[in-house]
Amino acid sequence: DAGVIQSPRHEVTEMGQEVTLRCKPISGHNSLFWYRQTMMRGLELLIYFNNNVPIDDSGMPEDRFSAKMPNASFSTLKIQPSEPRDSAVYFCASRMTGMNTEAFFGQGTRLTVV
Amino acid sequence: QQQVKQSPQSLIVQKGGISIINCAYENTAFDYFPWYQQFPGKGPALLIAIRPDVSEKKEGRFTISFNKSAKQFSLHIMDSQPGDSATYFCAASRSDKLIFGTGTRLQVFP
Repeated sequence: DAGVIQSPRHEVTEMGQEVTLRCKPISGHNSLFWYRQTMMRGLELLIYFNNNVPIDDSGMPEDRFSAKMPNASFSTLKIQPSEPRDSAVYFCASRMTGMNTEAFFGQGTRLTVV
Repeated sequence: QQQVKQSPQSLIVQKGGISIINCAYENTAFDYFPWYQQFPGKGPALLIAIRPDVSEKKEGRFTISFNKSAKQFSLHIMDSQPGDSATYFCAASRSDKLIFGTGTRLQVFP
């Protein structure tokens, strides 16, 4: 398995534009997490899914952020409209639920909003 | 939202020394406490993990000490090496949710 795959690796966009980050979890994993990493706040959990269903989105900072998981092999995190303070590295991770197993992370998407 | 507090924010250690990173949690429902290691430009990767029914777990130079009553746990890196220079995250989990601390940037100098 190629691991968790995120795209794009880098994204530079202008303030006000829509940004879509993509994630392909490891096959067979039924939990998927979206995290945002900044120097000040570390790894913040934005939202997580279990069996494609959003379980907890309390970490989503504002209504400008939305996430979907239409099937077991694909998830998106969308920011509309984007703002400079959204600049960060966004990570997707997946794991098997219920067994306290290892969460595997993708390489991340470095987002810069100018 | 932060339910796991981690300290220090940064740590500088001489080669061969001991690195110690501390974490505290609030939610007693957590039942799994992993540590992740992250190198620049990479995603975090699991280093070592412990369950609350065990007070200590050792894997090579890495040891987790766990104090359930105090709701605290720590990572000890013995004989620290320059290759250990990375950012370390503690985390707390129940069967589904996985919450991370703010991270500790470790630098080991030769």
